[in-house]
Amino acid sequence: SAVISQKPSRDICQRGTSLTIQCQVDSQVTMMFWYRQQPGQSLTLIATANQGSEATYESGFVIDKFPISRPNLTFSTLTVSNMSPEDSSIYLCSVVPRGHMGEQFFGPGTRLTVL
Amino acid sequence: AQKITQTQPGMFVQEKEAVTLDCTYDTSDPSYGLFWYKQPSSGEMIFLIYQGSYDQQNATEGRYSLNFQKARKSANLVISASQLGDSAMYFCAMRVNQAGTALIFGKGTTLSVSS
Repeated sequence: SAVISQKPSRDICQRGTSLTIQCQVDSQVTMMFWYRQQPGQSLTLIATANQGSEATYESGFVIDKFPISRPNLTFSTLTVSNMSPEDSSIYLCSVVPRGHMGEQFFGPGTRLTVL
Repeated sequence: AQKITQTQPGMFVQEKEAVTLDCTYDTSDPSYGLFWYKQPSSGEMIFLIYQGSYDQQNATEGRYSLNFQKARKSANLVISASQLGDSAMYFCAMRVNQAGTALIFGKGTTLSVSS
């Protein structure tokens, strides 16, 4: 399995500010994704982080609000921009290890509260 | 359209008993994978078990087994000999076309195990 770390683990932010979440994997992975889990809800895909190119966003999510970088096969960042209380969620990084399409692992998540 | 349905918002079971968590899926793609995750109150997503659409046998991982009924499009999770530590939210998820697309999640089932 892949070991995934996320920073920060939690944060409390003021509306209008931005927060960058980091996702680091201990091995090269094929796919990296970013999910959001709003309070009491299931997981919703924000985007697929593509190495060396622009992320692929799902309907309802835009690059200006959630810019994503993936400079290499083990690291990605998600920025939540111009935050509002509606952005209060758990943000999770998820990876598919190389050669293991039957597995998909999640990072520990970043619990964000926007005041 | 691809969809995962979990119809049980909450389930209650006594320690040492077995419990089945229901999951039905909808896809017209012949190649897909089905996943189950456990999410305790800490928020992390723990990968439990995977079943590929072409797998001949039902998947098993320790106390977890997946009752895969392809004709019925169901992928129920069976937990044998429940433990207090099994109390958590459980999510069923599907990946369509094993080329590395993202997971689609159901709404989840909360499992409560009592002594």
